[in-house]
Amino acid sequence: GAVVSQHPSRVICKSGTSVKIECRSLDFQATTMFWYRQFPKKSLMLMATSNEGSKATYEQGVEKDKFLINHASLTLSTLTVTSAHPEDSSFYICSARDWGWNTEAFFGQGTRLTVV
Amino acid sequence: DAKTTQPTSMDCAEGRAANLPCNHSTISGNEYVYWYRQIHSQGPQYIIHGLKNNETNEMASLIITEDRKSSTLILPHATLRDTAVYYCIVRVRGKLIFGQGTELSVKP
Repeated sequence: GAVVSQHPSRVICKSGTSVKIECRSLDFQATTMFWYRQFPKKSLMLMATSNEGSKATYEQGVEKDKFLINHASLTLSTLTVTSAHPEDSSFYICSARDWGWNTEAFFGQGTRLTVV
Repeated sequence: DAKTTQPTSMDCAEGRAANLPCNHSTISGNEYVYWYRQIHSQGPQYIIHGLKNNETNEMASLIITEDRKSSTLILPHATLRDTAVYYCIVRVRGKLIFGQGTELSVKP
């Protein structure tokens, strides 16, 4: 399957700082990317959808000023957690898919964020 | 909300076939069924997807009932490395909305 690379895999930051997570599609053009978060022993929760060159669409209850998403190219999307707090500690996962209504999406390996 | 329901957990003996059921009774005519799995602390891995015909690839087979209200993922010869949470997903407005999935434990 196609490869989606997420970086970093783990990050620890201090409260009040911002953290940027990158998601790259390595061998296809990702017209759409998705960002999820996952708490321990829970399922993935969709945070937002981004299309290349457009503003991200956020799911209900997700603060767009808190979680900044940029999808400036067909191979890169970034999620910035601004002014991080301990409750933002979570597993963040990106997903990307090519154009086409029923193409499958591929997932990155995830980023474990710990805010101390 | 997820449009699918799955059993919370299942066990399977190593080397035997693992049959994972999924109900999607509200699926629309042009919506595909997708299967992913997630091994602990990793991103989900794509397995297979289908519309109405049965599908097979190197990982698994997908059997979809004629009325499309349910499907079964089949891992023909389960190994210990197949222990994971398996998600059956019907895409909603272009988005993959995850339910709770089935925790499959493959035992020696």
